[in-house]
Amino acid sequence: KAGVTQTPRYLIKTRGQQVTLSCSPISGHRSVSWYQQTPGQGLQFLFEYFSETQRNKGNFPGRFSGRQFSNSRSEMNVSTLELGDSALYLCASSRHRQGAYEQYFGPGTRLTVT
Amino acid sequence: AQTVTQSQPEMSVQEAETVTLSCTYDTSESDYYLFWYKQPPSRQMILVIRQEAYKQQNATENRFSVNFQKAAKSFSLKISDSQLGDAAMYFCAYLPETSGSRLTFGEGTQLTVNP
Repeated sequence: KAGVTQTPRYLIKTRGQQVTLSCSPISGHRSVSWYQQTPGQGLQFLFEYFSETQRNKGNFPGRFSGRQFSNSRSEMNVSTLELGDSALYLCASSRHRQGAYEQYFGPGTRLTVT
Repeated sequence: AQTVTQSQPEMSVQEAETVTLSCTYDTSESDYYLFWYKQPPSRQMILVIRQEAYKQQNATENRFSVNFQKAAKSFSLKISDSQLGDAAMYFCAYLPETSGSRLTFGEGTQLTVNP
């Protein structure tokens, strides 16, 4: 079974630009979550999508948005990039059934904002 | 607010020895899941082990086992027969049943394995 895939793996953008990151979950997983990882703030939850609907949202400004498609693939968008948005963005897909829960992460997209 | 605390920023262990990483969490929920993830230099987050709070038996995965103390809100990870490949950052994470898939992570423990 293929794992979670994220594209692109590396990205360099300039302040003020926007960026779109993509995540394809494990087959059969309908939930996709996004996390931002930085040395200073650690791992922070951005949002979660389930069946094309945002189910949870973290404490991030409106510049951060996302969506999920009918095939469960998800994208996140960051508009008007700031230097502080430089981070590793991790996507995770998950499934919860019969009292068991599993969540697996993709390899991440490293975003550098200059 | 739910919090996860890993009080050991760094740990080291000799190859083939045993090491225990600590994690405590704060919650008022009764149904939840706990996880340990490993993040090697490649930055890939790898699920090491998970524990359902409703299960009294501690989870075990090969050389990895946990000591889950629900009343004390403690969830430590024991790595037996440590190998060089175990060197990584380890994160403890918490997920309440009612929270969809929103994980709360601890700050991480950097584990060094000495040959």
